[in-house]
Amino acid sequence: NAGVMQNPRHLVRRRGQEARLRCSPMKGHSHVYWYRQLPEEGLKFMVYLQKENIIDESGMPKERFSAEFPKEGPSILRIQQVVRGDSAAYFCASSPLTGTEAFFGQGTRLTVV
Amino acid sequence: KQEVTQIPAALSVPEGENLVLNCSFTDSAIYNLQWFRQDPGKGLTSLLLIQSSQREQTSGRLNASLDKSSGRSTLYIAASQPGDSATYLCAVGIYNQGGKLIFGQGTELSVKP
Repeated sequence: NAGVMQNPRHLVRRRGQEARLRCSPMKGHSHVYWYRQLPEEGLKFMVYLQKENIIDESGMPKERFSAEFPKEGPSILRIQQVVRGDSAAYFCASSPLTGTEAFFGQGTRLTVV
Repeated sequence: KQEVTQIPAALSVPEGENLVLNCSFTDSAIYNLQWFRQDPGKGLTSLLLIQSSQREQTSGRLNASLDKSSGRSTLYIAASQPGDSATYLCAVGIYNQGGKLIFGQGTELSVKP
């Protein structure tokens, strides 16, 4: 089992561009969570998805951010028209069932220049 | 609203010492509590998961306890080693919210040879 795979590991975008972050959960895991870690801050929940469904997006900024977890393929976190304040580490986690152990990927470090 | 606090924010100890990291949470309605380790620029490694019905879990030199009624957890590290140097994060899984995690700010541990 390869673990939670995130790519790219590092992403540089100019202000106004789009960023796409990918997450492949562990095999057999149907629950995916995205978290953001801003510089000098703790990890904050963004969104919780199951296949083809957004279950909880209470931590997502209202504009420019979206997430999906299609029937086939990885989960995608999409940030449109990036700004400097979006620079952060974005982590994906997966678990097989609600309330079970969450396993995290290595993260994608987004830098907006 | 669930809030998670970790004390101390930073800790420096000589090699070989036993040490305790503290985590407190404001709402006792939790699914579980999970301790993670994060190395600089890396992802999160799950150390121990304690379900809400459990009082403690052990793995090697690590022991984590949970007291739901008082809203506290401790992570005990025995015979610390320089390789234990990292940031330790405590996270609670919120009851009835799909397993999303609320994180503390972490304790940055440095073990000196």
